[in-house]
Amino acid sequence: AQTVTQSQPEMSVQEAETVTLSCTYDTSESDYYLFWYKQPPSRQMILVIRQEAYKQQNATENRFSVNFQKAAKSFSLKISDSQLGDAAMYFCAYRSASNNDMRFGAGTRLTVKP
Amino acid sequence: DVKVTQSSRYLVKRTGEKVFLECVQDMDHENMFWYRQDPGLGLRLIYFSYDVKMKEKGDIPEGYSVSREKKERFSLILESASTNQTSMYLCASSDTGTGSEKLFFGSGTQLSVL
Repeated sequence: AQTVTQSQPEMSVQEAETVTLSCTYDTSESDYYLFWYKQPPSRQMILVIRQEAYKQQNATENRFSVNFQKAAKSFSLKISDSQLGDAAMYFCAYRSASNNDMRFGAGTRLTVKP
Repeated sequence: DVKVTQSSRYLVKRTGEKVFLECVQDMDHENMFWYRQDPGLGLRLIYFSYDVKMKEKGDIPEGYSVSREKKERFSLILESASTNQTSMYLCASSDTGTGSEKLFFGSGTQLSVL
């Protein structure tokens, strides 16, 4: 089974600064999808960004971008110009292209300091 | 907007009780999932279903069962609740096909078993 590892249980960043959250995964497959989800205190999971493994170009969504290193099986999330509303739990997730279930990491709690 | 509704936000039950957690989605999605979320462990897949009356075990199915009699509804059943099943339970759904890999989540049910 695929595993997803987030090695940073907690991170903090100063407002307006940049922070990078790490994620590695283990798979023998070549076709898959990777995601970053955000869970604020409301508990509602929100998709931040997604990446298809067959695409070499790193995905970007406004202030959020990823560094996808397929050979290293690494998928980090960079948040630029951090805002107070970015404070949340962030989960990295993996989904195979051949089945429907999604696997999550343990999460990173991000604190944004004003 | 896709809506995934979990019937209870908070639930308190006693050891040995049979517990039903209900989840309804309104977007005609094929796939539905039940996860439990625990600090330091992230989201772990309990069961998922890719069609009515179909179910597949996830990583931690022991002590749980599921029911999917209608496409929009996916129920998680704790046959005899135990204290180690105290957790946050998240329901999710997704469509099938390219471009539909994203999961849509409910707001979670925090279950306490006393």
